[in-house]
Amino acid sequence: EVQLVESGGGLVQPGGSLRLSCAASGFTFSNSWLTWFRQAPGKGLEWVANINEDGNRRYYVDSLKGRFTISKDNAENSLYLQMNSLRAEDTAVYYCARHSNWGFDYWGQGTLVTVSS
Amino acid sequence: QTVVTQEPSLTVSPGGTVTLTCASSTGAVTSDYYPNWFQQKPGQAPRALIYRTTNKHSWTPARFSGSLLGGKAALTLSGVQPEDEAEYYCLLFCRSTWVFGGGTKLTVL
Repeated sequence: EVQLVESGGGLVQPGGSLRLSCAASGFTFSNSWLTWFRQAPGKGLEWVANINEDGNRRYYVDSLKGRFTISKDNAENSLYLQMNSLRAEDTAVYYCARHSNWGFDYWGQGTLVTVSS
Repeated sequence: QTVVTQEPSLTVSPGGTVTLTCASSTGAVTSDYYPNWFQQKPGQAPRALIYRTTNKHSWTPARFSGSLLGGKAALTLSGVQPEDEAEYYCLLFCRSTWVFGGGTKLTVL
């Protein structure tokens, strides 16, 4: 059974940093592209970033380039999102998902990040 | 900045048929946009329904189908069930980035 479990969310002050994790199981992680999405409270979905199988190709939504970094550890079956210089508008539920064959089939349940003083 | 547009809301009767559409500000949506469709119910994570325009996931009910229609991506629900009431999002690959539509709130009434 494919499982994706996010963790690391919480309350952080504006300007602060946070690292989200996504633990994967049930599929060959090292052969998979992974993705982060987010959803602000009461709002729609937003694609954040993709990373390829080896972790050497990364793609970001333009608005977040330079502040967020996606990475993966194939030995640990884990995906990460390092978020720096956080702003109130980064408040959202962050989801990880597997990116396969131009689709995004399996999603985690999400982790809430709240940026507030 | 590409804008992807969906109907904000639609209402359908149980057993009826409804089509949701997804348009791009860059022009006609083609298969090169790799349209995806997702269903989201309150308090839940999104669930993938359709990928690459027409392909269903193993869990996608047969009453859901994807297509291209009049320059847009489309999601058609045939024989709508009460449990299909949800928010539906399309996702397009536009100029090397992925862009969601604003979502369609589908009411089954």
